[in-house]
Amino acid sequence: TQLLEQSPQFLSIQEGENLTVYCNSSSVFSSLQWYRQEPGEGPVLLVTVVTGGEVKKLKRLTFQFGDARKDSSLHITAAQPGDTGLYLCAVTALRGAGGTSYGKLTFGQGTILTVHP
Amino acid sequence: NAGVTQTPKFQVLKTGQSMTLQCAQDMNHNSMYWYRQDPGMGLRLIYYSASEGTTDKGEVPNGYNVSRLNKREFSLRLESAAPSQTSVYFCASRILTGDEQFFGPGTRLTVL
Repeated sequence: TQLLEQSPQFLSIQEGENLTVYCNSSSVFSSLQWYRQEPGEGPVLLVTVVTGGEVKKLKRLTFQFGDARKDSSLHITAAQPGDTGLYLCAVTALRGAGGTSYGKLTFGQGTILTVHP
Repeated sequence: NAGVTQTPKFQVLKTGQSMTLQCAQDMNHNSMYWYRQDPGMGLRLIYYSASEGTTDKGEVPNGYNVSRLNKREFSLRLESAAPSQTSVYFCASRILTGDEQFFGPGTRLTVL
């Protein structure tokens, strides 16, 4: 059983369309990260959301953290071919004694987005 | 700054062979991580090193060993490679006080 469930797994759309990717869990997290990965490269951080209900915008990308801090969504407006890639959500393990974070990340299985010109 | 570098980029092994994947970071980060990525499964943590001199198991450590050689370098060793270890391996690093991880470009390993 995956700690984080991402949906959809695959998304193929035309340039200019809008889309939303979801990341869900039954657990509560202190923060959640979204990464984007291009073919042949490692993931790159897009955003970290920390507060329940938080909304962050990065140009045409809008990220939301659920009120209960169990889920998150990524919305892309007017998608472009350059948005093509693998989108991953990830959460950090709970902090250990003394408040030190071990920084271990647990990833969702990812959403492969293809935007056709 | 090069960030996180990994060598080699590609490797083909036969079952039973051994090899070491190298990782180095020049960002003075304290923590380093090894993940494997398989289709439909995201990235899974193999081993991590919270700080120089310490290492610990992640979610899928069986068949692997690691060495934190110094603050910059963290290597992953396969003692006796198996076809199930065919995957793309990523090294990452993180500053002690932040959550963001910085990833290398990956090593694509095929075990025949």
